[in-house]
Amino acid sequence: AQSVTQLDSQVPVFEEAPVELRCNYSSSVSVYLFWYVQYPNQGLQLLLKYLSGSTLVKGINGFEAEFNKSQTSFHLRKPSVHISDTAEYFCAVSVWGGKLIFGQGTELSVKP
Amino acid sequence: DAGVIQSPRHEVTEMGQEVTLRCKPISGHNSLFWYRQTMMRGLELLIYFNNNVPIDDSGMPEDRFSAKMPNASFSTLKIQPSEPRDSAVYFCASSSGDRVSIDTQYFGPGTRLTVL
Repeated sequence: AQSVTQLDSQVPVFEEAPVELRCNYSSSVSVYLFWYVQYPNQGLQLLLKYLSGSTLVKGINGFEAEFNKSQTSFHLRKPSVHISDTAEYFCAVSVWGGKLIFGQGTELSVKP
Repeated sequence: DAGVIQSPRHEVTEMGQEVTLRCKPISGHNSLFWYRQTMMRGLELLIYFNNNVPIDDSGMPEDRFSAKMPNASFSTLKIQPSEPRDSAVYFCASSSGDRVSIDTQYFGPGTRLTVL
């Protein structure tokens, strides 16, 4: 079975600083990886996903993530955050024919 | 597009009462998912449908929970009888394909259920 671990439950950062949200997964077969964002009082929205090909994936709102098979990681990065990036971020994993398994979430708090 | 629509947005009920949550997926989408989000357990998939047929209900907690999708534009999640431990945010999501493992899911705003 697959599992996903988000290593930080909360990440405080100042506006315009870079940020990295960490995600590790476990699986015995090839995986697909996702990052979703949940703004306050809203549903989840897809930021980006890795299915195959280039290990560097670019998403919406300036976010990107890199699939590292040897480290079993899929960390999310942004070089300069804005107040509007304050939200909860979920990493998720799936395998072919399987359902999405979500991590516990990382709360990103951007301070002025 | 209106996105995934859920109703009600908030529901407060007393233990033992029946609760019905409703979802209208995005038009043209043929897969629908019900999730539950709690602080303790995070985001869990309860059940998903493809072309109105339940495919995987292994996440449904117990017989008190039931879900239906009578047509492509409507689904319900019912809890009867409700218990305080059912308090959570329930999300509905839909996607346009039948490749559950890779298709993008579009989430509704959720229903916040409080059972007293």
